[in-house]
Amino acid sequence: VHLVESGGGLVQPGGSLTLSCAASGFTFSIYDMHWVRQTTGKGLEWVSAIGTTDDTYYPDSVRGRFTISRENAGNTLYLQMNSLRAGDTAVYYCARAIGWGEFDFWGQGTLVTVSS
Amino acid sequence: QSALTQPASVSGSPGQSITISCTGTTSDVGSYNLVSWYQQHPGKAPKLIYGGSKRPSGVSNRFSGSKSGNTASLTISGLQAEDEGHYYCCSYAGSSSLVFGGGTKLTVL
Repeated sequence: VHLVESGGGLVQPGGSLTLSCAASGFTFSIYDMHWVRQTTGKGLEWVSAIGTTDDTYYPDSVRGRFTISRENAGNTLYLQMNSLRAGDTAVYYCARAIGWGEFDFWGQGTLVTVSS
Repeated sequence: QSALTQPASVSGSPGQSITISCTGTTSDVGSYNLVSWYQQHPGKAPKLIYGGSKRPSGVSNRFSGSKSGNTASLTISGLQAEDEGHYYCCSYAGSSSLVFGGGTKLTVL
């Protein structure tokens, strides 16, 4: 199992960014997938989830600004982030879920910095 | 959804046992048997060490989880130097949402 995030970088407040997570080594389409972020030196925060039938879930902190999606044919997970704020600055991880809150594989993370 | 409460730090000597608590509410930890625990070393992604009331294969049986009321606990027995790092709990919080704890730094003396 291998998860590789990409797409992070520096973006101005109010800007947009799309993260990708390339999955390999397992049948991507049969797993729920999540995004979890970690602010520098701080804790973890759940960002979004997508089920096998493309059902999506978000916490209040990102709902309406972030959109999670998946492309099963290409084994890729996405996170489109709009109206970015300084508080969204973090390392973003994609993770494979085997239960709610139970993530057995994680990517290495990609850093998103929101700053002017 | 407020973060679950964990002690900022715990410490122990090699061979000892330590317990890390994770306190939530009746909306999360207290209502669901869906608490997971993660270990994180510097510069690395978190690693699942206990979830769904069981240990993943390959994780030492020195790690065990439990829950009482609104508080979940992770116990590490026979503490080893390699156990040093940060530990996070995560709970299902209803309505298809999750909440993490603030994290605990474990120091092996």
